[in-house]
Amino acid sequence: QKEVEQNSGPLSVPEGAIASLNCTYSDRGSQSFFWYRQYSGKSPELIMFIYSNGDKEDGRFTAQLNKASQYVSLLIRDSQPSDSATYLCAVNNYFGNEKLTFGTGTRLTIIP
Amino acid sequence: KAGVTQTPRYLIKTRGQQVTLSCSPISGHRSVSWYQQTPGQGLQFLFEYFSETQRNKGNFPGRFSGRQFSNSRSEMNVSTLELGDSALYLCASSLLAGSSNEQFFGPGTRLTVL
Repeated sequence: QKEVEQNSGPLSVPEGAIASLNCTYSDRGSQSFFWYRQYSGKSPELIMFIYSNGDKEDGRFTAQLNKASQYVSLLIRDSQPSDSATYLCAVNNYFGNEKLTFGTGTRLTIIP
Repeated sequence: KAGVTQTPRYLIKTRGQQVTLSCSPISGHRSVSWYQQTPGQGLQFLFEYFSETQRNKGNFPGRFSGRQFSNSRSEMNVSTLELGDSALYLCASSLLAGSSNEQFFGPGTRLTVL
């Protein structure tokens, strides 16, 4: 079982709709969860982080965390073509040594 | 505030050579982490430095090493390069040590090993 799993996609969403990105993790001790956006040929850019169960909203983005289910998601409302990118879920992980573990990312395409 | 800078941006080396990559964190940030990104494996943690000390290390061979200077700038070195070392090497800085803190990535160094 991978430590952090994401559906690789591609996920295609019409412009203006809600894009839903999901991530599961295996370390029950994880406390910090991050969403990064990576455009092709660029480095990852932090867009959201969440530490507590529930929802956290920032503009068009909402992160949702359910520690009991070991599940974190990112919702993008009113999707724009500029949201087309790969979204990386990252979880802090204490197995062996403390590190930030990334999923392999979900490629999102917003269709105009 | 200036972001994380990495030099060089691109490198081409041949097998058996060694390479040194440099990273300057955001001003005031004392933690620097290094990652390797490849299409097949995604982003993989190499090591983290804080206050000139390596705090954590990922599952990479000893050919991969690093260090941090008193001004928080960090370098990583890869010796005896192999074809499989071709990747984007990213460094990320954060204010504090540990994986619970927000990390901000530099533009990366694209290493090609021929």
